[in-house]
Amino acid sequence: RKEVEQDPGPFNVPEGATVAFNCTYSNSASQSFFWYRQDCRKEPKLLMSVYSSGNEDGRFTAQLNRASQYISLLIRDSKLSDSATYLCVVNMGGTSYGKLTFGQGTILTVHP
Amino acid sequence: EAGVTQFPSHSVIEKGQTVTLRCDPISGHDNLYWYRRVMGKEIKFLLHFVKESKQDESGMPNNRFLAERTGGTYSTLKVQPAELEDSGVYFCASSPVKWTPGEAFFGQGTRLTVV
Repeated sequence: RKEVEQDPGPFNVPEGATVAFNCTYSNSASQSFFWYRQDCRKEPKLLMSVYSSGNEDGRFTAQLNRASQYISLLIRDSKLSDSATYLCVVNMGGTSYGKLTFGQGTILTVHP
Repeated sequence: EAGVTQFPSHSVIEKGQTVTLRCDPISGHDNLYWYRRVMGKEIKFLLHFVKESKQDESGMPNNRFLAERTGGTYSTLKVQPAELEDSGVYFCASSPVKWTPGEAFFGQGTRLTVV
């Protein structure tokens, strides 16, 4: 079983749509959770951290459910520029504080 | 401010040859990481330097891979001898000493093809 699992998609949505991505992680001792974004043939970039209380950054909302080991990302009012691969990322903390564990990524294409 | 830079951007080598990848982290970043993405798989951690010391090298696949960070500035990752399965994109990332866990700044990667 993969440590971090995501639906690879692709998700094809029209501009203005709301789209949600899900992610599950296998290690219950995981400490920190993130969504990264990666444009085609570019480097991954941190989109947002994910907290148990849920957090929002503009059109993006992230949620964490520790009991279910489940992370989500909601994008409202999709823009063409949101087209990218969204990576669910987990960190164990402790002596592995520098190690990020990535999911395979979910591909999003927003079309006119 | 310059970001994380990696060199070369692309490399094509024959099986059995040696390749050395270089990473220059953001100036002042003590933490430096190497990651790799092979075709069709997720990005995987290779190792983590704090200054010149290896903090965590649990992701290094085998002893054909050697990472160094002499002087705690730039880092090199040498693959010797290269095998076909080493093909992929090698990312370097860095972060400062006091940083938000998980916020690593990635370079654009070196695309390695072993033929």
